[in-house]
Amino acid sequence: KAGVTQTPRYLIKTRGQQVTLSCSPISGHRSVSWYQQTPGQGLQFLFEYFSETQRNKGNFPGRFSGRQFSNSRSEMNVSTLELGDSALYLCASSLVPGSNTGELFFGEGSRLTVL
Amino acid sequence: AQSVTQLGSHVSVSEGALVLLRCNYSSSVPPYLFWYVQYPNQGLQLLLKYTSAATLVKGINGFEAEFKKSETSFHLTKPSAHMSDAAEYFCAVILPNTGNQFYFGTGTSLTVIP
Repeated sequence: KAGVTQTPRYLIKTRGQQVTLSCSPISGHRSVSWYQQTPGQGLQFLFEYFSETQRNKGNFPGRFSGRQFSNSRSEMNVSTLELGDSALYLCASSLVPGSNTGELFFGEGSRLTVL
Repeated sequence: AQSVTQLGSHVSVSEGALVLLRCNYSSSVPPYLFWYVQYPNQGLQLLLKYTSAATLVKGINGFEAEFKKSETSFHLTKPSAHMSDAAEYFCAVILPNTGNQFYFGTGTSLTVIP
């Protein structure tokens, strides 16, 4: 069974540009969450999608957005990039939200560098 | 809001020594608790989880953790460290039936000295 797949794995952008990251969850998983990981802040929750609907959103500016498609694949977009957006962006999937186990399966992440 | 505190951003142990990574949470109700491990250039992998069953939880690779409600703690231990245990460890909490919004600690980097 394939794991969570994130693309691209590495990318470099300049300030002011925008970026789109993609995440394919484990087959059968319908919930996708996104996290930003930085050395100083650790993992910060961005948002969660289930059945193409955003269920939860973290405390990030509106430049950060996402969506989920009918096949459960998800994308996140960051517009008007800032230097502080440099981070590892992790996608995680689970069978359904609100399950008692709450276990997340993580992808390897997309490392974004903003110059 | 939930918070998770991991005491010690860096921990070093000798190979074969006890590993103890500390995690405390703040919650008015008992949360579900997790330990994840992250190896370099990889995503997070679940080590173990507590979901209101037995308070002593055994995970993969010889790790275990004990939920202590009175201390609001969920410390991770392993009797004998191995070189392959060197990684970043994250404690996380989630309130039951609140979706998948995890709250992660800032992580503890474990170094194993040969």
